[in-house]
Amino acid sequence: EIVLTQSPGTLSLSPGERATLSCRASQSINNNYLAWYQQKPGQAPRLLIYGVSSRATGIPDRFSGSGSGTDFTLTISRLEPEDFAVYYCQEHGSSSYTFGQGTKLEIK
Amino acid sequence: QVQLVQSGAEVKKPGASVKVSCKASGYTFYLHWVRQAPGQGLEWMGIINPSGGTPTYAQRFQGRLTMTSDTSTSTVNMELSSLRSEDTAVYYCARDLYGSGSFDIWGQGTMVTVSS
Repeated sequence: EIVLTQSPGTLSLSPGERATLSCRASQSINNNYLAWYQQKPGQAPRLLIYGVSSRATGIPDRFSGSGSGTDFTLTISRLEPEDFAVYYCQEHGSSSYTFGQGTKLEIK
Repeated sequence: QVQLVQSGAEVKKPGASVKVSCKASGYTFYLHWVRQAPGQGLEWMGIINPSGGTPTYAQRFQGRLTMTSDTSTSTVNMELSSLRSEDTAVYYCARDLYGSGSFDIWGQGTMVTVSS
């Protein structure tokens, strides 16, 4: 089973700044089944990115995903106040699905 | 737009079972169950085809987890048995975004509390 490690655990930034979140896999993800979610307190997660770099329906273009193999990145180009939340990466391997432990993006 | 509506909160004693339902308003290829303990991350539990077929469960839930579907009501059920305090969590159903390995539509979540 693949283990996903997200870094940093907490990221403190200001609105308007650029955010770069990392997700590292314990084994190569060769099928591009890598997704990112945003979760706010008391809400269900929301799909942002699937297939490494495809934005989900309705997701603003300030969100972008990239990477390959074992290293993946979610970038938020210019932070808006509503972007401060917890972000999870997720992969789909053979008959299983795994989430990273999350990165909390907080207002500096 | 597909919506997933889950059943309400549950309080159970250790050793009991809980059944949570998820009703889909539109067609879904596959549905997943994901849980989140208080203050913790997300944990995948299993996947079911609402139209039939054998569910697939995460290994750690084998023997305790049962997923079923009722096509007449477009409802999927998740039953977890032999509950312990560590099963206290919000349980979500989520739609599989076909061909992507990700979950694009989520239910509102059901809080399950296991306490003596």
